[in-house]
Amino acid sequence: QMQLQESGPGLVRPSETLSLTCIISGDSLRGYYWNWVRQPAGKGLEWIGRIYNDGGTKNNPSLQGRVTMSIDTSQRQLSLQVTSVTAADTGIYYCVRVDQLKSGASDLWGQGTAVTVSS
Amino acid sequence: DIQLTQSPSSLSASVGDRITITCRASQSIVAYLNWYQKKPGKAPTLLIYAASSLHSGVPSKFSGSGSGTEFTLTISSLQPDDFATYYCQQTYSTPWTFGQGTEVGLK
Repeated sequence: QMQLQESGPGLVRPSETLSLTCIISGDSLRGYYWNWVRQPAGKGLEWIGRIYNDGGTKNNPSLQGRVTMSIDTSQRQLSLQVTSVTAADTGIYYCVRVDQLKSGASDLWGQGTAVTVSS
Repeated sequence: DIQLTQSPSSLSASVGDRITITCRASQSIVAYLNWYQKKPGKAPTLLIYAASSLHSGVPSKFSGSGSGTEFTLTISSLQPDDFATYYCQQTYSTPWTFGQGTEVGLK
């Protein structure tokens, strides 16, 4: 069974860079790719972007080029960076597995990590 | 971006009720539509993928249908564990988007 575990600083100052990590444990990474999804405080779910095992990425343009995603398959680790954060970036961040055979459905989620942007 | 509009935004129901939630897309997404359940303080869980395929381990009381621009999620007999917020998601084109959510509460 695969599990996803996010971690991060919890509190980030405005204008600084948010850095999150997701550790993938359990089954092989083959056959999957990975999303980052967030839920801003009091709002619905927002897709941040996706990353493949070969490092290819696709970001949500709504984040205006502030997002960088990376993967280290040998360490089974995903990373997310969001630059120039504001209060609007406050929320719960999830790393998510996508099964290539399920039309892009996110079939496994980490428990999420809370991020607060505040001075 | 493809907009997804769920209706209703909230509903009140009783244990044993059959409920239906609708998700309308701003353009055709064929059948690239997924449904998730989310409870407070918990991560979302996948219920239905590709509009009508039941994710493994999900009870058969959940069902999905639709294609093109209109989709539905039906719960045949609500149980206490089903009171939650439900989201649809399109994976037809990026940026992938979610509906605004439908909160199902106890009447």
